Amino acid sequence: ILNVEQSPQSLHVQEGDSTNFTCSFPSSNFYALHWYRWETAKSPEALFVMTLNGDEKKKGRISATLNTKEGYSYLYIKGSQPEDSATYLCAFKTGANNLFFGTGTRLTVIP
Amino acid sequence: GAGVSQTPSNKVTEKGKYVELRCDPISGHTALYWYRQSLGQGPEFLIYFQGTGAADDSGLPNDRFFAVRPEGSVSTLKIQRTERGDSAVYLCASSGQGPTEAFFGQGTRLTVV
Repeated sequence: ILNVEQSPQSLHVQEGDSTNFTCSFPSSNFYALHWYRWETAKSPEALFVMTLNGDEKKKGRISATLNTKEGYSYLYIKGSQPEDSATYLCAFKTGANNLFFGTGTRLTVIP
Repeated sequence: GAGVSQTPSNKVTEKGKYVELRCDPISGHTALYWYRQSLGQGPEFLIYFQGTGAADDSGLPNDRFFAVRPEGSVSTLKIQRTERGDSAVYLCASSGQGPTEAFFGQGTRLTVV
């Protein structure tokens, strides 16, 4: 089992603030890095699939970067809205196609 | 099917009983994953199937837990002699080949009383 770490564990921000979270993963046997959004009472849904060192992905106000050499990825949310409140999970996919998740960052956006 | 289906959605069982949790993945997905989620934690890896075989079962907590996927499609997670500590949400996900994302079912909430 591979260790994927996320920080912070939880975060409260005011509506309109921008924020970011970190995902750390092993730098060996890298295949892909995923970000998922997990809302209460729903299933996790993929936000980004990232494969190349230096990758940057963007979807609306949410973006992510990837550094495979040093083993980290950042997720950024610009101008947070209450509907962004969720747990954000990163997951490390190995060359053997296994998928290991971090413990998540729980974001609460205060109106 | 259209998505990953897990049954039952809720299961309450008595300590010491045997339970089976079923996962029906997206058609054509060769990779199938089982995770366990306890309150406030991310999905904890249990087992990963590639086709019919368990490619990695290192996350199964002990020999009371077993999973099968006999035809490379539906998978069943089996828990013998359940304990109160087994209470959790059990998540199943499936994925196609390559770096593609996983798609999750709604989970089975297991409560051992």
